[in-house]
Amino acid sequence: QKEVEQDPGPLSVPEGAIVSLNCTYSNSAFQYFMWYRQYSRKGPELLMYTYSSGNKEDGRFTAQVDKSSKYISLFIRDSQPSDSATYLCAMANTGNQFYFGTGTSLTVIP
Amino acid sequence: SQTIHQWPATLVQPVGSPLSLECTVEGTSNPNLYWYRQAAGRGLQLLFYSVGIGQISSEVPQNLSASRPQDRQFILSSKKLLLSDSGFYLCAWSGRGTKNIQYFGAGTRLSVL
Repeated sequence: QKEVEQDPGPLSVPEGAIVSLNCTYSNSAFQYFMWYRQYSRKGPELLMYTYSSGNKEDGRFTAQVDKSSKYISLFIRDSQPSDSATYLCAMANTGNQFYFGTGTSLTVIP
Repeated sequence: SQTIHQWPATLVQPVGSPLSLECTVEGTSNPNLYWYRQAAGRGLQLLFYSVGIGQISSEVPQNLSASRPQDRQFILSSKKLLLSDSGFYLCAWSGRGTKNIQYFGAGTRLSVL
């Protein structure tokens, strides 16, 4: 079983839609949860960071962590064409070991 | 603020030629440094990581090596490139302390022909 599972998509939505991206994981030791956005031929950029459980909101983006279900989500409200990218989830334990999902490709159609 | 520089952005090399990719970090000291290779649909493959000068851990056996000659400099090398070395290479850093976050460079797209 992989440490982190992420549906690769591709996901295609109309502009203005709410997008839900998800990852599941198997290691209960993970404490740090991240979402990265990666545009084509660019390096991943940190989008959201959450420590332990709970929700975090930043503008149109909301990150949720449910440690009991080992499930994390990223919601994008009022999606824009500029949100078209690949979204990577990532997790880390206190030992500074990082695990990444394979990424979900998102296209927002104008 | 911290920044990470990675170069070159694109590189085309013949099979059998040497390789040197460089990554430097500014604005922080004693970072953890990482080299990844990213293949389409396969996510990030960790190649090397370093917790200090001269301290390199290799995650997968391969045709590549890494060195850390200075605190904020990380170099990925090969003596003889193979076709299978083609890919998108990413350097990343993370700080020490309680916030475990990795920050990535812009990446190098390597084509071995």
